[in-house]
Amino acid sequence: DAGVTQSPTHLIKTRGQQVTLRCSPKSGHDTVSWYQQALGQGPQFIFQYYEEEERQRGNFPDRFSGHQFPNYSSELNVNALLLGDSALYLCASSLGLGREKLFFGSGTQLSVL
Amino acid sequence: SQQGEEDPQALSIQEGENATMNCSYKTSINNLQWYRQNSGRGLVHLILIRSNEREKHSGRLRVTLDTSKKSSSLLITASRAADTASYFCATAETGANSKLTFGKGITLSVRP
Repeated sequence: DAGVTQSPTHLIKTRGQQVTLRCSPKSGHDTVSWYQQALGQGPQFIFQYYEEEERQRGNFPDRFSGHQFPNYSSELNVNALLLGDSALYLCASSLGLGREKLFFGSGTQLSVL
Repeated sequence: SQQGEEDPQALSIQEGENATMNCSYKTSINNLQWYRQNSGRGLVHLILIRSNEREKHSGRLRVTLDTSKKSSSLLITASRAADTASYFCATAETGANSKLTFGKGITLSVRP
């Protein structure tokens, strides 16, 4: 039973560029949430996708956008990258907007130079 | 913004000792969860306690919740070197809001 998979594991970009991160949820899960974790901090909620719609959004600018596909996989897009976007981006899956237990992927480490 | 605040920020103990970590939060919650993170990678769910529960056990883990004080504690008994990790509390607020809000975390070091 595959867990949550994220790609790529590491990414280096320069300021102003755009990036796309990908996530496949745990088998049987239909909800994907994205979190940003800066060094030494806890994960910060970016947004959540369910039934291919953004259901909830944290305090992040419109430069952060996402998508969920019919197979429940998801993408996180960040435009006009800033140095402050450097962080570990974590994808978490759950069932039916559930908030009782999230399963996390290993994350994508994004470095913006 | 972060809801939970863990205490202490860092904890170093000897293998075999017990580790106690605390978390305080600000709003009404539906449940509170503890997660572990090794080496800055993915988080692993450890235990969940609902707002109408006061204590739960899972293996060497014991979690308590005091909703009147808006606080929780996680006890790891008979710690092992493999317990070395960062620990986060996360809260699910009451209402339709389905996100989890994480604290800043506690770094636990267990010395062999």
